[in-house]
Amino acid sequence: EPEVTQTPSHQVTQMGQEVILRCVPISNHLYFYWYRQILGQKVEFLVSFYNNEISEKSEIFDDQFSVERPDGSNFTLKIRSTKLEDSAMYFCASPTRGFRSGANVLTFGAGSRLTVL
Amino acid sequence: SQQGEEDPQALSIQEGENATMNCSYKTSINNLQWYRQNSGRGLVHLILIRSNEREKHSGRLRVTLDTSKKSSSLLITASRAADTASYFCATDVIGKLQFGAGTQVVVTP
Repeated sequence: EPEVTQTPSHQVTQMGQEVILRCVPISNHLYFYWYRQILGQKVEFLVSFYNNEISEKSEIFDDQFSVERPDGSNFTLKIRSTKLEDSAMYFCASPTRGFRSGANVLTFGAGSRLTVL
Repeated sequence: SQQGEEDPQALSIQEGENATMNCSYKTSINNLQWYRQNSGRGLVHLILIRSNEREKHSGRLRVTLDTSKKSSSLLITASRAADTASYFCATDVIGKLQFGAGTQVVVTP
């Protein structure tokens, strides 16, 4: 079954440092998404990325965040200057194959846990 | 604004019992989905129900949707210890999934 792979699984950083989280989505998908989940809270939409461009972003996704596709298969989420409140699990997701068009079903990666000290 | 909200926040049951959780949402939807999350892991899609459907089954899962009340329910029948997880509803609005805070289900043997 196609997988979404995320690295690192856990990163600890000091406040103010830059962090880059990586994702390898299901191959040949043009769409992918980043979500975050603060411990014990809801899963929040951050940004959707389509064909090398941001298609939609939430109010959480401020100027400190950026997404890139540095090569053909990898996507990154960068946080330029981390804050304590950025501590969370960050998930990337790709649309799941096998569903009829119009149904936005997602396959999620296992997540990257970010701890900001 | 939060689209889906699950109720209850937490549910503790014994193996063999049924677990029911509810989800309310605010805006019109294309479909509603339920996902499961084991502790510290990613979300896994369980079942999808379209806006023109009222009920759907998949194995031990039964989902209902009432678009007039903007609510859905997920029933897990004959629960097992392995069903212990958090369950999230997600509404598909304009191609973006929005999740609630989840219901944490604990099934004790």
